[in-house]
Amino acid sequence: EAQVTQNPRYLITVTGKKLTVTCSQNMNHEYMSWYRQDPGLGLRQIYYSMNVEVTDKGDVPEGYKVSRKEKRNFPLILESPSPNQTSLYFCASSFDRADYGYTFGSGTRLTVV
Amino acid sequence: TQLLEQSPQFLSIQEGENLTVYCNSSSVFSSLQWYRQEPGEGPVLLVTVVTGGEVKKLKRLTFQFGDARKDSSLHITAAQPGDTGLYLCAGAHRPSGSARQLTFGSGTQLTVLP
Repeated sequence: EAQVTQNPRYLITVTGKKLTVTCSQNMNHEYMSWYRQDPGLGLRQIYYSMNVEVTDKGDVPEGYKVSRKEKRNFPLILESPSPNQTSLYFCASSFDRADYGYTFGSGTRLTVV
Repeated sequence: TQLLEQSPQFLSIQEGENLTVYCNSSSVFSSLQWYRQEPGEGPVLLVTVVTGGEVKKLKRLTFQFGDARKDSSLHITAAQPGDTGLYLCAGAHRPSGSARQLTFGSGTQLTVLP
């Protein structure tokens, strides 16, 4: 089944404790992206990747890091999480950045206390 | 100001009613996508419209792309509780000096009551 797999689904952590949210896709998509979704603010892009070793900032990149060492994986790293990073996070992949539909993962609900 | 404005923001209707959701912008899009997101899940692509004036139907859902490719609408006939969810539109465009990208609207939260 074609899908984007995110882990974990739920995560509660403390301020400053480094964490990684994994994302993997099995569709051989070149484009991958991370979004956060907050009430009243919609989907906001954090980082995206056009291909292996090619990453770029989205609209809200502060406090986040990403890497794209393999085509299928695009982990999101929070080096020192803060409470304002409490949010619902989605990974998405596509054949390109604009015209093909995105396939989203099921989401990771992160709480930073 | 959001690039893509969706209206209404919230909509609660009875089962069997018809409804229309709007997605408007002052920008021209090369294509426009509609997604539905259910609670606790990621958005799922419903349709992509590409040509100005294009109409696509998906069972009881009818999607239309404006002639000028600046707006779109989603019409649901005889809504059912299973239609409940957050409906998102997303437009493909090229900001000046940038590569093409997809921008999402803020969504319309639809609740269909049995």
